[in-house]
Amino acid sequence: EIVLTQSPGTLSLSPGERATLSCRASQTVSSNYLAWYQQKPGQAPRLLFYGASSRATGVPDRFSGSGSGTDFTLTISRLEPEDFAVYYCQQYGSSPRTFGGGTKVEIK
Amino acid sequence: EVQLVQSGAEVKKPGESLKISCRGSGYGFTSYWIGWVRQMPGKGLECMGIIYPGDSDTRYSPSFQGQVTISADKSINTAYLQWSSLKASDTATYYCVRHSYNSGWLFGYWGQGTLVTVSS
Repeated sequence: EIVLTQSPGTLSLSPGERATLSCRASQTVSSNYLAWYQQKPGQAPRLLFYGASSRATGVPDRFSGSGSGTDFTLTISRLEPEDFAVYYCQQYGSSPRTFGGGTKVEIK
Repeated sequence: EVQLVQSGAEVKKPGESLKISCRGSGYGFTSYWIGWVRQMPGKGLECMGIIYPGDSDTRYSPSFQGQVTISADKSINTAYLQWSSLKASDTATYYCVRHSYNSGWLFGYWGQGTLVTVSS
């Protein structure tokens, strides 16, 4: 099973700042099948990126995804108030498909 | 517009059975994998399994194989998640999901979630 470790657990930042979230896999993620999701309190998650760097429909371009192999990054260039949420990575290339434990981006 | 509408919250006792539902609309129901994701209280996300309603091909994550049953009725565009004997540890929010971007386990659409509480 591929274990995804997300860091940091919590990121305290102010609106307008840059956020950098890490997702590290215990083994190579097949075909870079790595996705990122955003979840706000009381809501279902929303797909942001797939294939490590392909933006899902409707995702603002202040969000970017990068990485390959075992190291992946989600970057938010300038935080907007609506970006404060929990972010999860998921590998969907190998069975069992797994999620990381999440990074909470909170307002400082 | 793609929509996944789930059945309402449930409160059950340990040992009881339960079947929750998810109705898909706004797309060809038989042409997309539909599945379930568990989120235990205050915790992260877990893939449970997926089904292809067109031919009922069903795949389970190993942790959930034998613990739940995923099914679909394509005549009414509805997928189901069922338990034969609930445990307290089944208390969670369950999300119905639909695949996107050519991978059955990549979830581009989510239902609103069904909270299942199992308590004596």
